[in-house]
Amino acid sequence: AQSVTQPDIHITVSEGASLELRCNYSYGATPYLFWYVQSPGQGLQLLLKYFSGDTLVQGIKGFEAEFKRSQSSFNLRKPSVHWSDAAEYFCAVGFNTGTASKLTFGTGTRLQVTL
Amino acid sequence: NAGVTQTPKFQVLKTGQSMTLQCAQDMNHEYMSWYRQDPGMGLRLIHYSVGAGITDQGEVPNGYNVSRSTTEDFPLRLLSAAPSQTSVYFCASSTTEGHPEKLFFGSGTQLSVL
Repeated sequence: AQSVTQPDIHITVSEGASLELRCNYSYGATPYLFWYVQSPGQGLQLLLKYFSGDTLVQGIKGFEAEFKRSQSSFNLRKPSVHWSDAAEYFCAVGFNTGTASKLTFGTGTRLQVTL
Repeated sequence: NAGVTQTPKFQVLKTGQSMTLQCAQDMNHEYMSWYRQDPGMGLRLIHYSVGAGITDQGEVPNGYNVSRSTTEDFPLRLLSAAPSQTSVYFCASSTTEGHPEKLFFGSGTQLSVL
């Protein structure tokens, strides 16, 4: 069965600093990988996704992620963090059974941004 | 665009009570699902449906029932609430065509079972 590990529970960065959130996955086949963001009291919003092709994917709000098959990783990055980026971030691995989209989520990383 | 609508936003139950969490989507999505979110556990899939009349269990189905009589609605029923079901519940939907497309999430229902 697929699994996702987000080793950092909580990260604090200063506004304007760069950010990298780690995500490692376990899956026997080519994974579909996602990053979601959750603001307080809200549902999850998709930041970006990787299905195939270019291993560096661009998402919304200036985020990007790089798929590294050799490391089973899909780390999320942003060159310069804004205070509004403070939220919880979830990595997810998915697969298509042919009839359903099934995702397994990591436990999340809470990002705090200091001014 | 309403997207995915969940009601209620907050609910407090006593142990043993029953209730239904409502979920409706207006995007004509075939796939709908229910997740629960607990601190340090991420989101865990409870039940999902790939179309009207078709449901299946996810990772943590015990204590929950679902049905899918229409494409739009996917209610989650707690038959006899337990404190272990205190959680935030999210409904999500997506198209099932091709690759697993992005899930559209509702804003959640915060449930407390006393």
